Amino acid sequence: DGGITQSPKYLFRKEGQNVTLSCEQNLNHDAMYWYRQDPGQGLRLIYYSQIVNDFQKGDIAEGYSVSREKKESFPLTVTSAQKNPTAFYLCASSPGIRVAYEQYFGPGTRLTVT
Amino acid sequence: EDQVTQSPEALRLQEGESSSLNCSYTVSGLRGLFWYRQDPGKGPEFLFTLYSAGEEKEKERLKATLTKKESFLHITAPKPEDSATYLCAGYGSSNTGKLIFGQGTTLQVKP
Repeated sequence: DGGITQSPKYLFRKEGQNVTLSCEQNLNHDAMYWYRQDPGQGLRLIYYSQIVNDFQKGDIAEGYSVSREKKESFPLTVTSAQKNPTAFYLCASSPGIRVAYEQYFGPGTRLTVT
Repeated sequence: EDQVTQSPEALRLQEGESSSLNCSYTVSGLRGLFWYRQDPGKGPEFLFTLYSAGEEKEKERLKATLTKKESFLHITAPKPEDSATYLCAGYGSSNTGKLIFGQGTTLQVKP
């Protein structure tokens, strides 16, 4: 089955610790994205990547970092510099970015930082 | 600034009671308007893409329409399993792949 996997589903961390969220896709999509979802707000774009070894900041990139070493993988690191890291994080992919392709989402990771 | 606004925030319907969800947008050079369904604690599930004003798409009890200023998601004779949050998103001319999401409409259908 083709799709996007995110792990873990739930993640708990202490303040001051960096944490890495995993995202893998087997859809052979070039583009991958990370969004953050908070209650009462729409999804907000953190980072996106259109090809391997290339990524761009989205609207709320401060306190986050990413890498794209393989086409299938786009991990997100939430650093201690992110002031409000507790949120639901969603990874998505699409065939490309220059056309209005639909984006397919993973199941999400809920991060709680105390 | 590009913006997408959905209304109402929440909607309660009785089973079989048809209604519509609204998505108003101001997205520069709109290239696509997307509808997603999201169940609690899960990722959004793609429903429709609309590309130009006047376009309509249907899937089971759902029908999406698009004008130059807004999109509607019509739900005909809903069932309890249609209960979910429905998200609308616009893709403009930025060439970044960025979708502009609305806050969503949470639909509850009671039997």
